[in-house]
Amino acid sequence: AQTVTQSQPEMSVQEAETVTLSCTYDTSESDYYLFWYKQPPSRQMILVIRQEAYKQQNATENRFSVNFQKAAKSFSLKISDSQLGDAAMYFCAYRSAGSSNTGKLIFGQGTTLQVKP
Amino acid sequence: DTAVSQTPKYLVTQMGNDKSIKCEQNLGHDTMYWYKQDSKKFLKIMFSYNNKELIINETVPNRFSPKSPDKAHLNLHINSLELGDSAVYFCASSLAGVDEKLFFGSGTQLSVL
Repeated sequence: AQTVTQSQPEMSVQEAETVTLSCTYDTSESDYYLFWYKQPPSRQMILVIRQEAYKQQNATENRFSVNFQKAAKSFSLKISDSQLGDAAMYFCAYRSAGSSNTGKLIFGQGTTLQVKP
Repeated sequence: DTAVSQTPKYLVTQMGNDKSIKCEQNLGHDTMYWYKQDSKKFLKIMFSYNNKELIINETVPNRFSPKSPDKAHLNLHINSLELGDSAVYFCASSLAGVDEKLFFGSGTQLSVL
């Protein structure tokens, strides 16, 4: 079975600085998707970024980018120019490819990010 | 204008009671889900429905019964509530085969006393 591990329960960053959140996963599959979700205090789960395993190029979304290392099974999230609104819990998630797995996300334990003014 | 809406947002009830959580999406999606987030913030899928048909049932106790009257609605009924059912329950939806993006509701915090 696939597992997702986030080894950093808490991280903090100074406003305007850069922070990297770590995520590793375990799978024997070659085709899958990886995600980072943000959960602010409002509880709403918001998709931050998505990566297809077959794509070598790292995904980017504005200030958010990933470092996807398929061989190492690592999928870290870099937040540049951190803003106060980035403070939230961040979840790494894995999804097997295949239509039967649509929406079946396997989540890590989460990392709470604090942004200091 | 809310894309995925759940009601109620908070639910406090006694052990042994039966309760329902409702979910509606106005995104035109064909697949809906229930996820459970426990007290340690761990998220796990419970069910998924595609066009009213049950697709995923992740070894959830029989006391939990999802019902999808149409593809825009997915309700969750829980019988004989137990203390361990206390959690936040999230509804989500997506358009299968088009985009992997799940849209989540804001969650229902269930407290069983």
